[in-house]
Amino acid sequence: DSGVTQTPKHLITATGQRVTLRCSPRSGDLSVYWYQQSLDQGLQFLIHYYNGEERAKGNILERFSAQQFPDLHSELNLSSLELGDSALYFCASSPPGQLNTEAFFGQGTRLTVV
Amino acid sequence: AQKVTQAQTEISVVEKEDVTLDCVYETRDTTYYLFWYKQPPSGELVFLIRRNSFDEQNEISGRYSWNFQKSTSSFNFTITASQVVDSAVYFCALSDPFYGQNFVFGPGTRLSVLP
Repeated sequence: DSGVTQTPKHLITATGQRVTLRCSPRSGDLSVYWYQQSLDQGLQFLIHYYNGEERAKGNILERFSAQQFPDLHSELNLSSLELGDSALYFCASSPPGQLNTEAFFGQGTRLTVV
Repeated sequence: AQKVTQAQTEISVVEKEDVTLDCVYETRDTTYYLFWYKQPPSGELVFLIRRNSFDEQNEISGRYSWNFQKSTSSFNFTITASQVVDSAVYFCALSDPFYGQNFVFGPGTRLSVLP
């Protein structure tokens, strides 16, 4: 168990809908990262938050947004969903003040858009 | 731009065979970090090793060993005496030295260890 909690584990929704994925980082970790794993794109970095502030953006679509709350949990919002958004979404966290240590990944949320 | 290549899409071996997973990376940074992660059938990503660009010593951890060669931009992973439980997808990743764990992952190598 990595200590990173993601909910829900599975989500099935229709095209055009909006969903929210939730992530609780390990206790004490200030950074939260979101990744998308799909068959065609592989594992891609989406966005990084540190202590409530956005630090870096990767290949995140404009239809997607994220935030990190004062209690450090994070939410990834996906809107106007398309079939191609079906993927496994991972959240990861890392300790404060330590760049380039390993990131600890949650179990992922499997999103299926039908 | 950073890039990680894992040329082997799938490998099958019989239990107790040794197997090497290849990883080749591209970066213009002089300081960088390389990682290997394992994704078993259950789906989670499990950290295996981290190596920085200044440390070219090979590392051994039990049945696992890693060979980092800066001259060829490679960071290969060998499993000795493979076991069925080693069956998983293995990812090599490169991190940005300034943005921490914003990993660039390779496409992964699916390893099947047959009994």
